[in-house]
Amino acid sequence: GNSVTQMEGPVTLSEEAFLTINCTYTATGYPSLFWYVQYPGEGLQLLLKATKADDKGSNKGFEATYRKETTSFHLEKGSVQVSDSAVYFCALSVGGYQKVTFGTGTKLQVIP
Amino acid sequence: EAEVAQSPRYKITEKSQAVAFWCDPISGHATLYWYRQILGQGPELLVQFQDESVVDDSQLPKDRFSAERLKGVDSTLKIQPAELGDSAMYLCASSLVGTGTDEKLFFGSGTQLSVL
Repeated sequence: GNSVTQMEGPVTLSEEAFLTINCTYTATGYPSLFWYVQYPGEGLQLLLKATKADDKGSNKGFEATYRKETTSFHLEKGSVQVSDSAVYFCALSVGGYQKVTFGTGTKLQVIP
Repeated sequence: EAEVAQSPRYKITEKSQAVAFWCDPISGHATLYWYRQILGQGPELLVQFQDESVVDDSQLPKDRFSAERLKGVDSTLKIQPAELGDSAMYLCASSLVGTGTDEKLFFGSGTQLSVL
């Protein structure tokens, strides 16, 4: 089956620190990969995506590269801000009806 | 910006009672999803509709859960009878198309269910 494994949180960083949240996946077929973010009190929203190997998704200073050889899609940001504090979910979709499978989420807390 | 509407925002019920959640997707979105999110975990797909048809309900506990999208627009998820383990956030999402594309999902704010 399809699954997504994320590093456990919470992750606590100081403002302007470098962020990496690891994500690896298992999929039957050729998935599209996503990072969703859930800010406190809000619904999930798409942060970035990549649809084929070696694609780099980017948004709001965050980046993730689709690595087929390591089945990974790690999320990175060079300098985090307090406003980045949220829960980050790695996800994949595969198949004719785009079934989306989520990881367990990683909570990020950025302190001033 | 258009949003996915869900109601109620919070629901408290006693075990063995019936409970229902409602979702109105973004206009024109053919695909509608119901997810359950237990605290500290990622969303788990319960049921996926393409227009009015169910295309995936493999994780839906059919002995107590039911879902419908009669006119291919809004949807209702029902639990009867509710059990303590059903306490969770129930999320509705929609996307424009769902057939082999990478369309992003738009999520509602969810319904937080507490079963006492």
